[in-house]
Amino acid sequence: DIQMTQSPSTLSTSVGDRVTITCRASQTINTYLAWYQQKPGQAPKLLIYGASNLEYGVPSRFSGIASGTEFTLTISSLQPDDFATYYCQQYYSYSPLTFGGGTKVEIK
Amino acid sequence: QVQLVQSGPEVKTPGASVKISCKASGYTFTNYYIHWLRQAPGQGLEWVGVMKPSDGSTYYGVDFLGRVTMTKDTSTRIVYMELSRLVSEDTAVYYCARGGMITESRRNYFAYWGQGTLATVSS
Repeated sequence: DIQMTQSPSTLSTSVGDRVTITCRASQTINTYLAWYQQKPGQAPKLLIYGASNLEYGVPSRFSGIASGTEFTLTISSLQPDDFATYYCQQYYSYSPLTFGGGTKVEIK
Repeated sequence: QVQLVQSGPEVKTPGASVKISCKASGYTFTNYYIHWLRQAPGQGLEWVGVMKPSDGSTYYGVDFLGRVTMTKDTSTRIVYMELSRLVSEDTAVYYCARGGMITESRRNYFAYWGQGTLATVSS
C-alpha cells in the first residue's frame, strides 16, 4: 500500500492567516494527488486534483504544489468558511487508493 | 447536473449483511467508474472498491476481499454495495463517489459524492 502521511493533524488558526498542510507519500505517485475539504455531516468536497489543478468553482485562495513525494495545500488567507478537515488522496495506485489521516483546521 | 443518491440508514446485528444503493443521474451511467468509500465515526476515509458500470467488473480493496460485493442495474442506473459478516468495526458512513471515465482509468479522484449512508452494526 502507498502510505500518505499528512501533517499537522490539527491546526489552530485565525481568519486571514496563511495555512499550509503537507502530505508525504511513501513512494512516488507522480502528481496523482487530490485534496478534499470535509465539513461535519457532509461528504468530502474536491478542491484540487493532479496536485495543483483547482477544481471548478473552488476559490483561488486554495492552491497545491508538488515536490517529489511531498505535496502541499495552501490557503492564502483563511476565510470563516474554510474551517473544516482536509484530506489528501493518492490515486496513482488502485491497490488500494489511500488517504492521508486528515488535518482539522480549527479556530484559535 | 450529476447526482448520486444513496439509500437510507441501516442498523444491523453482527454477522449480518448490509446492502446500500447508489442511484446515479445527470450523466451517462456506463461511462464512469463508481467507487465506494467509508468513514468510521470520527475517523478518516477508507476506500472499499470500485465498479466499472459498463461491464460490471469490480476491484476490491484487499481488506474487504471475500466480504464485499458490488453489483449494478443499468436499467435503473443503480450501483449496489453489499458487505457481509458485519462486525462492530464496520460501523461507518458509506459513500459512493464517481471516479474517472472508463477510458481514463487513472483519474480516480472524486468530484461527485453521494450523501452518505450510515450503517450501524450493534447487537
